[in-house]
Amino acid sequence: AQSVTQPDIHITVSEGASLELRCNYSYGATPYLFWYVQSPGQGLQLLLKYFSGDTLVQGIKGFEAEFKRSQSSFNLRKPSVHWSDAAEYFCAVVSNTGNQFYFGTGTSLTVIP
Amino acid sequence: EAGVTQFPSHSVIEKGQTVTLRCDPISGHDNLYWYRRVMGKEIKFLLHFVKESKQDESGMPNNRFLAERTGGTYSTLKVQPAELEDSGVYFCASSQAQGAYTEAFFGQGTRLTVV
Repeated sequence: AQSVTQPDIHITVSEGASLELRCNYSYGATPYLFWYVQSPGQGLQLLLKYFSGDTLVQGIKGFEAEFKRSQSSFNLRKPSVHWSDAAEYFCAVVSNTGNQFYFGTGTSLTVIP
Repeated sequence: EAGVTQFPSHSVIEKGQTVTLRCDPISGHDNLYWYRRVMGKEIKFLLHFVKESKQDESGMPNNRFLAERTGGTYSTLKVQPAELEDSGVYFCASSQAQGAYTEAFFGQGTRLTVV
């Protein structure tokens, strides 16, 4: 069965520091992986996705993620965090039919000046 | 173009009452999904509509939950009677087509609190 684990419930970083949010997935075949962000009062917004090909994918707002099959991971990174990045981040894998997301529990990011 | 819109944004009801949540998908999107996040847990799939038909309702927790999408436009999710464990954030999403390659757009969610 598909599942996603986000080990970090909450992370605090200083503005300008680098960021890495962890995501591990369980999936029987080649996974389709996503990162979504939810800012306060907003809906879930797609940051980036991986289907196949280059294992380093670029997303919006300066985010990137690397797919590592050997580690079943899809960690999200950003070289320099901005105060506006404070939000909750969700990693997800999509079902075989492509019609159902399996989300992790989310990581809440706080950015301090 | 308007995104996915959900009403209300917040709802507080007493145990045993009825609540109806509404979702307006992006115009032209045949696929509509409901998800729920219970506090501290993952966002979980509830069901999927294609136009007015329920394609997959495997995630609906019990028969106190009723989802409809009359005419294939907006959708409602009714909880009757509400229980304490129904509290959480209910998300709606829509997509133009089916499949993993098609981006799903999510609404801001409805926060339901049952007291």
